[in-house]
Amino acid sequence: EAGVTQFPSHSVIEKGQTVTLRCDPISGHDNLYWYRRVMGKEIKFLLHFVKESKQDESGMPNNRFLAERTGGTYSTLKVQPAELEDSGVYFCASSEGRTPYNEQFFGPGTRLTVL
Amino acid sequence: KNEVEQSPQNLTAQEGEFITINCSYSVGISALHWLQQHPGGGIVSLFMLSSGKKKHGRLIATINIQEKHSSLHITASHPRDSAVYICAVRRKTSYDKVIFGPGTSLSVIP
Repeated sequence: EAGVTQFPSHSVIEKGQTVTLRCDPISGHDNLYWYRRVMGKEIKFLLHFVKESKQDESGMPNNRFLAERTGGTYSTLKVQPAELEDSGVYFCASSEGRTPYNEQFFGPGTRLTVL
Repeated sequence: KNEVEQSPQNLTAQEGEFITINCSYSVGISALHWLQQHPGGGIVSLFMLSSGKKKHGRLIATINIQEKHSSLHITASHPRDSAVYICAVRRKTSYDKVIFGPGTSLSVIP
């Protein structure tokens, strides 16, 4: 079975441009999470979808970030306009259920570089 | 202060050495994860535990809930073990939101 996939693996854009990251969770996983690691900091939670609904978006840094999960399958995270401080690695994870013991499976991450 | 701390921050070991990475946390948790990230690579989940000890190959993870402490041990270390090891916890409440430690960068020299 395929794991969590993310596209692209690496994106380099200029400040002010728009970038869209994509995450495909494991098939059948209702829960999808976005995390990011910016330079020198620990990985931080961004938001959580249950199917197509945003369950928790308390970690989204500002309104330049927009996440969607139309149809409850794959998710996109759009950054518009991108700023230098948005550079980092964006991880996606999915899990089947929502108990404390349901493991989250992580994708390979998208490395975003804003110049 | 971060809710999840790790030590050491960086670790260099000779091949074959026994390695211990420590994690301490300050919140009540439902589960703790040990994750591995290779340079340029994604995150792989090594263990998820809520009590006691788990073993997988040369890796052993232990947790002491009362002391809010976990350790990851690597026996007979190998250069391919070189990676960043991340401790992450899930709170008792808001357990969907994983809190990550800063990571321990391990380099195993042949």
